[in-house]
Amino acid sequence: DADVTQTPRNRITKTGKRIMLECSQTKGHDRMYWYRQDPGLGLRLIYYSFDVKDINKGEISDGYSVSRQAQAKFSLSLESAIPNQTALYFCATSDSPGYGYTFGSGTRLTVV
Amino acid sequence: AQTVTQSQPEMSVQEAETVTLSCTYDTSESDYYLFWYKQPPSRQMILVIRQEAYKQQNATENRFSVNFQKAAKSFSLKISDSQLGDAAMYFCAYRRGNNDMRFGAGTRLTVKP
Repeated sequence: DADVTQTPRNRITKTGKRIMLECSQTKGHDRMYWYRQDPGLGLRLIYYSFDVKDINKGEISDGYSVSRQAQAKFSLSLESAIPNQTALYFCATSDSPGYGYTFGSGTRLTVV
Repeated sequence: AQTVTQSQPEMSVQEAETVTLSCTYDTSESDYYLFWYKQPPSRQMILVIRQEAYKQQNATENRFSVNFQKAAKSFSLKISDSQLGDAAMYFCAYRRGNNDMRFGAGTRLTVKP
């Protein structure tokens, strides 16, 4: 099994629908992150969490919410999806300072 | 805020040749870490190489090496003996300590047979 698992892998949803993207990890890392990737913009931080009780907004949190249900689970929700939220979404985890992230395989979300 | 700039949206290289991808960053910190990630069509993010800012020696990993110029805030990636499997999107990234990672816009590398 992958260290960081994202579900679903792909999703098409309609404008106005609520959707949840899920992330679970077996690394035992405290820090978890949600990024979105758009062509020409790279990866931008949506939300991050240092532990279950610590949730922080990133640079583009508007229109999104998150839930850290346990150390291993970090979910991203779009309360009312809109077409410009069409993107590739990545969950990532981190432990030691200065080291890279462990990424999930991404969720490609299309809002029509 | 720290920013990362990749000025080459696309690059191409002939198989077996060498290519260099550019990255510059902006920071007022002296202690930080820099990374290059590879994203093939599978879209998985794969760590290619990591550099610690306090180390003057450039990092190398097999055919991949970096040219780290701290004063110029430049961190380029050199790929030697390019292979078809090197074709991917490459992202440069900056991280200070255990803070979040900041990414550049990416460079799409094409390898011609």
